[in-house]
Amino acid sequence: SAVISQKPSRDICQRGTSLTIQCQVDSQVTMMFWYRQQPGQSLTLIATANQGSEATYESGFVIDKFPISRPNLTFSTLTVSNMSPEDSSIYLCSVEAADGSSYEQYFGPGTRLTVT
Amino acid sequence: EDQVTQSPEALRLQEGESSSLNCSYTVSGLRGLFWYRQDPGKGPEFLFTLYSAGEEKEKERLKATLTKKESFLHITAPKPEDSATYLCAVQGPMDSNYQLIWGAGTKLIIKP
Repeated sequence: SAVISQKPSRDICQRGTSLTIQCQVDSQVTMMFWYRQQPGQSLTLIATANQGSEATYESGFVIDKFPISRPNLTFSTLTVSNMSPEDSSIYLCSVEAADGSSYEQYFGPGTRLTVT
Repeated sequence: EDQVTQSPEALRLQEGESSSLNCSYTVSGLRGLFWYRQDPGKGPEFLFTLYSAGEEKEKERLKATLTKKESFLHITAPKPEDSATYLCAVQGPMDSNYQLIWGAGTKLIIKP
């Protein structure tokens, strides 16, 4: 298994500002993922962040709006840039951890962002 | 197109009343099917991964099964603390970057 922490747990931000969310894992992992979950909705993948390579963004998400860093195998950041109220959401970090022949994806507790 | 459909959207049960949640999927080359539990305001909590048809896994009052087209999450004699949203996701092959395709979830409410 993997234990994931995120900072901050929640924040209220003003329109036009940026927020950087940190994700820390207690073990080395290759694949990390960033998701967004809007109220009452399921999860939407923003990007996949593998150490040593550029993040891969899903359709509808761009690097200028959601820059990602992945400096090592236990840490990643997601920045939400030039925020608008539509960015209000829960942002989740996830990792894939292997256990022998099985693999599982674990999630952090999330960062609840409100943009006013 | 790869797709995951969960039913019902919501399920209300009395404590002790057993039932099942359904996850139907279409994906080319299933790498794994995942079940998660999510409490309000928290990240999804991993429950099970199923890899091939016929596989079953159990954890306390929960049992997950898998066929070639769907998965069931059986809950036996549920308690109020089992109330949560249960999410199902499937993972395709490497050429999809192992992306998880998510269902919309089933909100389970267990009344005492």
